[in-house]
Amino acid sequence: GAGVSQSPSNKVTEKGKDVELRCDPISGHTALYWYRQSLGQGLEFLIYFQGNSAPDKSGLPSDRFSAERTGGSVSTLTIQRTQQEDSAVYLCASSLASYARQETQYFGPGTRLLVL
Amino acid sequence: AQKITQTQPGMFVQEKEAVTLDCTYDTSDQSYGLFWYKQPSSGEMIFLIYQGSYDEQNATEGRYSLNFQKARKSANLVISASQLGDSAMYFCAMREGGDSGGGADGLTFGKGTHLIIQP
Repeated sequence: GAGVSQSPSNKVTEKGKDVELRCDPISGHTALYWYRQSLGQGLEFLIYFQGNSAPDKSGLPSDRFSAERTGGSVSTLTIQRTQQEDSAVYLCASSLASYARQETQYFGPGTRLLVL
Repeated sequence: AQKITQTQPGMFVQEKEAVTLDCTYDTSDQSYGLFWYKQPSSGEMIFLIYQGSYDEQNATEGRYSLNFQKARKSANLVISASQLGDSAMYFCAMREGGDSGGGADGLTFGKGTHLIIQP
């Protein structure tokens, strides 16, 4: 597709369940980013991939969060044992590369996660 | 301390007037990039404009321009001739590092300004 796509667009889950969020970046973009947007915390950077490698995972909120990227394309963000405070919009972005600060990140429409 | 400060939580502006959205930033890096994004009610983040720390000229993109004052660490967004479709949340963001090829991190965002254009 032309832009970054994310699925599902909405997800409602029960506390304690695991969820998987998917991101498909713009074709040819080697860098991929995950962010979280919530009312209380604003926009937070979680993790980025250059190719399949994630150099820094310190932005992930807890060890219940993990992310992977295979084949240098699609990425999944997994939240295990979801908690109500995980409710937020999870945004994915991609850019041509991550090496240069001026690389523009293009965002997907997000996944709205609601944990009951 | 906040890295990106947007002091205007909300603004009301008459259609066709110019708008200035404030953004100040805090970094000790010499190399950094500043971005503005628009987020309409649909939720998607739309890239508007970029300014590099070494750029000598203020960035412009159509009706958007960036008033970059490096010594004051400010990067205000100016929208000329505002339109009803400009009503949205506007976020200022910064990306530090990345000059030495070691990779640059994600964006740090401000809390945003909710702009409402009135007819």
